Amino acid sequence: EPEVTQTPSHQVTQMGQEVILRCVPISNHLYFYWYRQILGQKVEFLVSFYNNEISEKSEIFDDQFSVERPDGSNFTLKIRSTKLEDSAMYFCANPRTDTEAFFGQGTRLTVV
Amino acid sequence: GIQVEQSPPDLILQEGANSTLRCNFSDSVNNLQWFHQNPWGQLINLFYIPSGTKQNGRLSATTVATERYSLLYISSSQTTDSGVYFCAAGGTSYGKLTFGQGTILTVHP
Repeated sequence: EPEVTQTPSHQVTQMGQEVILRCVPISNHLYFYWYRQILGQKVEFLVSFYNNEISEKSEIFDDQFSVERPDGSNFTLKIRSTKLEDSAMYFCANPRTDTEAFFGQGTRLTVV
Repeated sequence: GIQVEQSPPDLILQEGANSTLRCNFSDSVNNLQWFHQNPWGQLINLFYIPSGTKQNGRLSATTVATERYSLLYISSSQTTDSGVYFCAAGGTSYGKLTFGQGTILTVHP
């Protein structure tokens, strides 16, 4: 069964550096999502992306974050200037044929 | 937005025991999913169940949409069932999912 694929699986970065997280969705579904999970906490919605545009974003998704679809298939989440509190697991997700969301394995971001 | 509450927050079982996890949500939903987060952090889809009842092996789930709750049943638990179980609800088709705080399940041999 095809999976949502995220790279890298783990990234360590210095505070203030830019990071780009990548995701390959399982389908050509028009909807795509990013979520994050701070260690020990619940999964939180960041942003949804529909037909190459942001359709909804949370208050967490401030000007430091951006999402793109650079080559028509892959998706990226960019954090421009990382802060210690950005340390978390970041998940991408997209539906297959119905509204059921499937999640990637996650990228664990550690900001030092 | 939708509020999602899960109970209990922690559950400790002996292998072979049965358990019921509950998820309450504050509004009508078009999407209700149960996930198991394994020790590596992966979110594994268990059920997509905005209404009705489904079964998959030792696991089953029931959502009573009119009363705004969902239940996940685990029968004959095994040590490999250990982990965090999340319920997530969405109010609109293809909209964001709101997750509950999760239930940490520990199954001892």
